[in-house]
Amino acid sequence: EVQLVESGGGLVKPGGSPRLSCVASGFTFSNVWMSWVRQAPGKGLEWVGRITSKTDGGTTDYAAPVKGRFTISRDDSKDTLYLQMNSLKTEDTAVYYCTTNAITVADTIFFDYWGQGALVTVSS
Amino acid sequence: SYVLTQPPSVSVAPGQTARITCGGNNIGTKSVHWYRQKPGLAPVLVVYDDTDRPSGIPERLSGSNSGNTATLTISWVEAGDEADYYCQVWDTSSDRVFGGGTKLTVL
Repeated sequence: EVQLVESGGGLVKPGGSPRLSCVASGFTFSNVWMSWVRQAPGKGLEWVGRITSKTDGGTTDYAAPVKGRFTISRDDSKDTLYLQMNSLKTEDTAVYYCTTNAITVADTIFFDYWGQGALVTVSS
Repeated sequence: SYVLTQPPSVSVAPGQTARITCGGNNIGTKSVHWYRQKPGLAPVLVVYDDTDRPSGIPERLSGSNSGNTATLTISWVEAGDEADYYCQVWDTSSDRVFGGGTKLTVL
């Protein structure tokens, strides 16, 4: 059974730099592209960024609102995905979900498994 | 950037059919995926690649995609179908991969 368990959320001051972790199990983590998706309170889903597998270069891609402030990385030896968040703003307040990425024959991506989410609240 | 447009809400009586639309320019040329999210829980994939269902998703949920509109159809709606539904495409030229979401209310 696929499991994704996020941790590291909490109350953070503006400008803070928390790091979220996502521990994966139930599949071969190293083979899978991963994304972070967030959801502000009462709002819709927003893709944050993704990282490819090491085999595919381990490259990262980010949404414009977080580019230059957030960094996604992975430690395949620990089956763990990370989201380093810097220079946090109040508008970054959200539940952050770790997701696996499935790649279709049409070379598009969808998010087939989701963690339970980690709430990050940015407030002074 | 590519924009996906969903109606904010859809209401349907139990036993009836709900249709949730997702509009986008020539969306029929893209693969569309759908997620269901119940309050306080993580989203769950219910349809991928326009029409395919993951294991465990009932046949009552089906997808279609043509022209400028993709549609998630829920037949024989039950109280347990009440949730928010999001469409999604992967467009490398845009950050906005999700639609705004539709709240399905079962009357």
